[in-house]
Amino acid sequence: DGGITQSPKYLFRKEGQNVTLSCEQNLNHDAMYWYRQDPGQGLRLIYYSQIVNDFQKGDIAEGYSVSREKKESFPLTVTSAQKNPTAFYLCASSIDTGTNTEAFFGQGTRLTVV
Amino acid sequence: GENVEQHPSTLSVQEGDSAVIKCTYSDSASNYFPWYKQELGKGPQLIIDIRSNVGEKKDQRIAVTLNKTAKHFSLHITETQPEDSAVYFCAASSNNDMRFGAGTRLTVKP
Repeated sequence: DGGITQSPKYLFRKEGQNVTLSCEQNLNHDAMYWYRQDPGQGLRLIYYSQIVNDFQKGDIAEGYSVSREKKESFPLTVTSAQKNPTAFYLCASSIDTGTNTEAFFGQGTRLTVV
Repeated sequence: GENVEQHPSTLSVQEGDSAVIKCTYSDSASNYFPWYKQELGKGPQLIIDIRSNVGEKKDQRIAVTLNKTAKHFSLHITETQPEDSAVYFCAASSNNDMRFGAGTRLTVKP
């Protein structure tokens, strides 16, 4: 089945450690996104990528890094510089960059830093 | 950049009543306006969308209206059912830069 997969669903890390969240899609979509979701704040854009080997910062990129070496993969690294990393992280993809189309979301990764 | 505001943040209705959620956006270049439903612990799923060349779109019990001049759009759910209870997000997009509202938690009481 086609879709977008995030792993793991739950992730626990100690404070000060970097952690990488996985996002894979087999929809052949060009555009991919990472959002952070906190209670009462909706979805805030961290990074997005419109094509392989290219990505742009969103509204809250500080303390995060991404790579887009393959079309189907857009991993997000939460670094130790992120002051408040505990949150629900959502990855999404959409078909292309030329027109606006539906974004398909993964099931999310809940990251807890202790 | 785009700024999307969504109201109300919480909405409680009786089963069978209608529910209306409103959003405003700031970037006149935005031309795609999707609505997403998110159930607990899951990712958002698209329920309806509208493009800037259309003023209204309907899909069974769900409708969306768009006023480009005023830069606002609304979601209307008629004959609400308990399974409509979820968090709903509006979004506005220009060149695939999609920004979301803060969400509305809808509760439908049986």
